[in-house]
Amino acid sequence: GQQLNQSPQSMFIQEGEDVSMNCTSSSIFNTWLWYKQEPGEGPVLLIALYKAGELTSNGRLTAQFGITRKDSFLNISASIPSDVGIYFCAGQETGTASKLTFGTGTRLQVTL
Amino acid sequence: ETGVTQTPRHLVMGMTNKKSLKCEQHLGHNAMYWYKQSAKKPLELMFVYNFKEQTENNSVPSRFSPECPNSSHLFLHLHTLQPEDSALYLCASSQEPSGGVNEQFFGPGTRLTVL
Repeated sequence: GQQLNQSPQSMFIQEGEDVSMNCTSSSIFNTWLWYKQEPGEGPVLLIALYKAGELTSNGRLTAQFGITRKDSFLNISASIPSDVGIYFCAGQETGTASKLTFGTGTRLQVTL
Repeated sequence: ETGVTQTPRHLVMGMTNKKSLKCEQHLGHNAMYWYKQSAKKPLELMFVYNFKEQTENNSVPSRFSPECPNSSHLFLHLHTLQPEDSALYLCASSQEPSGGVNEQFFGPGTRLTVL
């Protein structure tokens, strides 16, 4: 089935640095979602993107829906220790109502 | 209670046991989902319910049996599981328009260990 390639797999950064991660697919998606999961918890929705080219921010987080509709990226500016966690992208293909395909996640570690 | 709740949070069971996982959503949504999350693998969709009707069974073994008595509650009945079934089981819900955006909201998960 459809797979999402998410990169990088992990990142170790210093507090205050900016972070960028992305997801690519072989199919066209009509929705991209970005989630964050902390240890012992379920994924929490951060940003939802609905249109190609859309750029959406949520505080220090910014995500974009790629023009080709086959990719998306998430940026985190001025990282802080509480940004630690695993970030997942998820996409919904056209005609696949109720089904999301998830990436393998980017594990973010922030050092002081 | 708010959002999506799951009980128990942790479960250890033997291969011959029968147990059930419970999920409840307080968001007024009409669709609910079970996912399996294993280490270093993407979330695997197991079952989807829309308006209490099962609309997706993603080739899940019959030792997993879902039940959705109403739009707010979802159960996963477990019977004769295998050690490889050990994982984090996540429940999610969404408001499902047909063919529309599918923002899913997750519960905290049940960490299952099969001995």
